[in-house]
Amino acid sequence: AQSVTQPDIHITVSEGASLELRCNYSYGATPYLFWYVQSPGQGLQLLLKYFSGDTLVQGIKGFEAEFKRSQSSFNLRKPSVHWSDAAEYFCAVAPRRDDKIIFGKGTRLHILP
Amino acid sequence: DVKVTQSSRYLVKRTGEKVFLECVQDMDHENMFWYRQDPGLGLRLIYFSYDVKMKEKGDIPEGYSVSREKKERFSLILESASTNQTSMYLCAHGGRETQYFGPGTRLLVL
Repeated sequence: AQSVTQPDIHITVSEGASLELRCNYSYGATPYLFWYVQSPGQGLQLLLKYFSGDTLVQGIKGFEAEFKRSQSSFNLRKPSVHWSDAAEYFCAVAPRRDDKIIFGKGTRLHILP
Repeated sequence: DVKVTQSSRYLVKRTGEKVFLECVQDMDHENMFWYRQDPGLGLRLIYFSYDVKMKEKGDIPEGYSVSREKKERFSLILESASTNQTSMYLCAHGGRETQYFGPGTRLLVL
């Protein structure tokens, strides 16, 4: 069965430090891959997505993600976090033959001043 | 700007009440989705609809039903609310290439 794993439930980083959030998926073929962010009290906002082509994807708010087929991973990175990045981040996959998206359980990011 | 409107941000209901959560989209998408979000469980798909009057069960449909009479409107119905349905409910529209989410309805069932 398809699945998405975000191994870190909580991550705490200092403001200005670099960030990497991990995501692994289990699926036979390369699905569509996404990262969404949810700020407190808000709905989900799309940060970036990967369908094909260049494996390094740029998104909004200074985020990027790298698709690694050999590791079935799609990790999210940011070189320098800001206090406003504190939120919950969801990795998601969509099988190419399906309109449904499968979400990971989320990683909550805390920022230390 | 893409708009997904959910009828209420916060809702308090009593056990056994019938509850309607409404979602309206402005992009003429065929697909609409209802998710519930619980801490540590992420988003779980309750139902989705791929056209007017068409629906399909998601991963956790028990205790819920849906209605799609018009393309822009997708309603989630709790026939008889129970305390274990206390949760955040998120509506979305779109498809495999992206989904647009509403702000969510936080439902408390007492």
